[in-house]
Amino acid sequence: AQKVTQAQTEISVVEKEDVTLDCVYETRDTTYYLFWYKQPPSGELVFLIRRNSFDEQNEISGRYSWNFQKSTSSFNFTITASQVVDSAVYFCALSEAGGQGAQKLVFGQGTRLTINP
Amino acid sequence: DADVTQTPRNRITKTGKRIMLECSQTKGHDRMYWYRQDPGLGLRLIYYSFDVKDINKGEISDGYSVSRQAQAKFSLSLESAIPNQTALYFCATSDPGRVSGYTFGSGTRLTVV
Repeated sequence: AQKVTQAQTEISVVEKEDVTLDCVYETRDTTYYLFWYKQPPSGELVFLIRRNSFDEQNEISGRYSWNFQKSTSSFNFTITASQVVDSAVYFCALSEAGGQGAQKLVFGQGTRLTINP
Repeated sequence: DADVTQTPRNRITKTGKRIMLECSQTKGHDRMYWYRQDPGLGLRLIYYSFDVKDINKGEISDGYSVSRQAQAKFSLSLESAIPNQTALYFCATSDPGRVSGYTFGSGTRLTVV
């Protein structure tokens, strides 16, 4: 069965600090997708990134970066120079790849990130 | 208009009442899902559907039923609501060809008193 673990329930940092959110996953699939979503206080889910299991290259998007390591089954998310607007709950998720499957998303428990001014 | 619309946005209902949460999409996607979010548990899958003739149970389907009235509509029902069904409910569609993969509705906050 697939499983995603976000061991950090809550993180609180001061603005401009760097912060890393951890994500560890379990799957028997050889091809899969990994996701990160942001849930601001308004409640909607905001897509941040999807990573295919074949692509282990790290990705950077502005202040956001992601480190995917299949050897440790981890897909960690780093925010550089954090800002108050980054305060949110962040979810890591996993789904099977392939066009014919159910592609059910399995979510981690979420990490509540608070950026203090 | 939103790609995935959920109604109502908020609902308070009494224990034992039947309630329906509705979801409609304009994406033209075949796959639709209902998830439930509880604090500290993330989102968990209740039901999913590939098309109007294909309905599948998810991780936590007990106490829920669904109806896929058309490709664009996927409703979730609580036949007899109970307080531990108080949660934030999300409907979603998916398209494997899109980078983002999934489109989520804005959520329905349900409180059972």
